Amino acid sequence: EAGVTQFPSHSVIEKGQTVTLRCDPISGHDNLYWYRRVMGKEIKFLLHFVKESKQDESGMPNNRFLAERTGGTYSTLKVQPAELEDSGVYFCASSQEAFQETQYFGPGTRLLVL
Amino acid sequence: DQQVKQNSPSLSVQEGRISILNCDYTNSMFDYFLWYKKYPAEGPTFLISISSIKDKNEDGRFTVFLNKSAKHLSLHIVPSQPGDSAVYFCPNNDMRFGAGTRLTVKP
Repeated sequence: EAGVTQFPSHSVIEKGQTVTLRCDPISGHDNLYWYRRVMGKEIKFLLHFVKESKQDESGMPNNRFLAERTGGTYSTLKVQPAELEDSGVYFCASSQEAFQETQYFGPGTRLLVL
Repeated sequence: DQQVKQNSPSLSVQEGRISILNCDYTNSMFDYFLWYKKYPAEGPTFLISISSIKDKNEDGRFTVFLNKSAKHLSLHIVPSQPGDSAVYFCPNNDMRFGAGTRLTVKP
């Protein structure tokens, strides 16, 4: 069974540019989550999709971040325009049940904004 | 509002000894607590959990203890192995992570 995949693995962009991160959850997992870890600090929850609907987006830092999950399969997280403080590792996770114990995490996308 | 706190950023133990990782939480209204382990350049992986109605859960070398009155959670690894070297997180079931504790097990 394929795990959660994320693309790209790394991204280096300049301040003001746009970056789109992609997450493919495990097939059949309705629940998809985005997290980020900034500069080795805590992993912070960003948002939770149930199928294509945003169940909880309380962790989204500001309106420069836009997450979508059209069709309830893969999800994208767009940062526009990117700022220096957006640098960090963005993780995606999926699970069959909402906030199920065994959330399966992807390897993360390392974003560096210069 | 940081709901989960891991006050020790790092811990170093000798192979074969016990590793004790600690977590404090502020909100008591959770169904269960989890421990995740994270290796460099990988996402966190689920390790062990404990229901809020229990005070201990054991799985092989890993035992998690929950002290509800103290709002304290701990993970015991015994005996520790070099492969246990990783960063450990203790999110609640709302998946609010702390900063993690880096465990280094020396051969």
